[in-house]
Amino acid sequence: GAVVSQHPSWVICKSGTSVKIECRSLDFQATTMFWYRQFPKQSLMLMATSNEGSKATYEQGVEKDKFLINHASLTLSTLTVTSAHPEDSSFYICSALRGDTQYFGPGTRLTVL
Amino acid sequence: AQRVTQPEKLLSVFKGAPVELKCNYSYSGSPELFWYVQYSRQRLQLLLRHISRESIKGFTADLNKGETSFHLKKPFAQEEDSAMYYCALSLSGGYNKLIFGAGTRLAVHP
Repeated sequence: GAVVSQHPSWVICKSGTSVKIECRSLDFQATTMFWYRQFPKQSLMLMATSNEGSKATYEQGVEKDKFLINHASLTLSTLTVTSAHPEDSSFYICSALRGDTQYFGPGTRLTVL
Repeated sequence: AQRVTQPEKLLSVFKGAPVELKCNYSYSGSPELFWYVQYSRQRLQLLLRHISRESIKGFTADLNKGETSFHLKKPFAQEEDSAMYYCALSLSGGYNKLIFGAGTRLAVHP
């Protein structure tokens, strides 16, 4: 149990376009999900906490207008990278909270050309 | 500021040798520490947490508040233990946010 999926697993887009990444908890409900970013050979950096039915809480230095988070249901949170630029290229990972344990998705690799 | 330090990027051992992956933390509140593991081409998964005080796959970790450490240990490493290991700190206050260390790659050679 406690499976989290992400879609797509990888995406390539042109600079200036927007990309949406989905995070789903498949076999449990999650009122709280988290979005992380991981650069090559670096650790996971928390971007924001996504709360079902309310606004996301962003970490310091993360632009909320650039990284739009929507947590419209108890099993789905989406991260939209707006007006993507090459520096947004990264590995984006979500997690869903069940109890007090985070369960992680497989990640989405975003490449912005 | 909250911080998790894993001083070793790579730890290379032979099969059967003892393993200790170091983790130190900095946090003024009541810490809750985790070890996560990421095997090749797989997602991050929870290995163990300090409040459980359990042994998973032969690994143990003890929280030492005096030394602010949560080192991961295994007496006899196996090749299948080769993976990336991340130490993480959960902030108190019900936020459940995790602060990750940089990670240590464990390579167990035959």
